[in-house]
Amino acid sequence: QSALTQPASVSGSPGQSITISCTGTSRDIGGYNYVSWYQQHPDKAPRLLIYDVSSRPSGVSSRFSGSKSGNTASLTISGLQPDDEAVYHCCAYTSATTARLFGGGTTLTVL
Amino acid sequence: QVQLQESGPGLVKPSETLTLTCSLSGGSIGLYYWSWIRQSPGKGLEWIGFTFEKAGTNYNPSLKSRVTISADRSKNQFSLRLTSVTAADTAVYFCAKYNGVFNAFDIWGQGTMVTVSS
Repeated sequence: QSALTQPASVSGSPGQSITISCTGTSRDIGGYNYVSWYQQHPDKAPRLLIYDVSSRPSGVSSRFSGSKSGNTASLTISGLQPDDEAVYHCCAYTSATTARLFGGGTTLTVL
Repeated sequence: QVQLQESGPGLVKPSETLTLTCSLSGGSIGLYYWSWIRQSPGKGLEWIGFTFEKAGTNYNPSLKSRVTISADRSKNQFSLRLTSVTAADTAVYFCAKYNGVFNAFDIWGQGTMVTVSS
């Protein structure tokens, strides 16, 4: 099974908004709303930002939002802050194997 | 609040078996899905599998023939066993709690680096 496809890197200036895409197939992202997003700072464990495509756990800023269209999920970060500079990973359930797939990760640079 | 801590050897020889343990505090091992996820140097995350007392185990098909994840209720910990390791298994290994309501990994350990080398 292939990993989900994310852009290697994105960048933005403080205060701007950016969107990170995560592309899969009809057997994972397109077929189920079990998409989650994680933020990982260097040498740290990932932190859950979004679950079930667009829901935020308690304590996660409303600047982070998620959505889905067809086989592509997206994470939008508004009002970019320097601390948002990190790697972002998407994850989805796949019915092909009942496994969990991750994307390759996207490095966000805040200019 | 549930907290997780990985432990195990940092160096394993090729062809040998890698065994890691994740100790749980602030919660019961019998209530949730418990997972292992790894990250090779400079790469993305790779789900290895999980165990749930009420539903058994589920493994990444690419690793299934070499992986065993099991839980020890008496010690409140779960473990990963990966056989016949090669250099490709060199990675940071994270244990994590999979939240079946959120369908996401909501609590992670800090991770432990394992190098496969002779």
